[in-house]
Amino acid sequence: GAVVSQHPSRVICKSGTSVKIECRSLDFQATTMFWYRQFPKQSLMLMATSNEGSKATYEQGVEKDKFLINHASLTLSTLTVTSAHPEDSSFYICSAVSGNTEAFFGQGTRLTVV
Amino acid sequence: KNEVEQSPQNLTAQEGEFITINCSYSVGISALHWLQQHPGGGIVSLFMLSSGKKKHGRLIATINIQEKHSSLHITASHPRDSAVYICAVRPGNQFYFGTGTSLTVIP
Repeated sequence: GAVVSQHPSRVICKSGTSVKIECRSLDFQATTMFWYRQFPKQSLMLMATSNEGSKATYEQGVEKDKFLINHASLTLSTLTVTSAHPEDSSFYICSAVSGNTEAFFGQGTRLTVV
Repeated sequence: KNEVEQSPQNLTAQEGEFITINCSYSVGISALHWLQQHPGGGIVSLFMLSSGKKKHGRLIATINIQEKHSSLHITASHPRDSAVYICAVRPGNQFYFGTGTSLTVIP
């Protein structure tokens, strides 16, 4: 089956630094990728929709200058958390859509900002 | 308003017990996924359903599209099944997630 690889699975960074998370579709072309964030004791919430070759669409309340999304190719989307703060510590996960039918998840990234 | 409701929120079972986790949703969907999240955060996709029933090992997932309801069953539960199980539905391309069911299986 199709695979979406997300890297890194865990990252610890210092406050004020930037962290990049990659989401790759390994055996299919993903025209659309989605980024989600999980708050403690809450369900995963959509942050933004990433379309190949165009600007990402951010959900209300998500700072686009803080969470930079790039979808430069049909197999790779990146989420960069800029000037990270401890409150950005969370679990981030991507999903990728193949055509308009199948959708697959990355394994997720646990970010800890110290 | 949650588009996806899961029950129970927490579940403790003895090893060997049959376990059922329920998911109800309020939107029309093209697919429903069951996900497993172990302590530490990594997510594994268990099933993708659009109708009927699927089985993989000791796991069985069913969906009733008319009733907007899905169940995940675990037969002969084992402590390694301890995890959070999340139901996710797709009305379009994006997902809506339940808050998860935290399962603990005691030896």
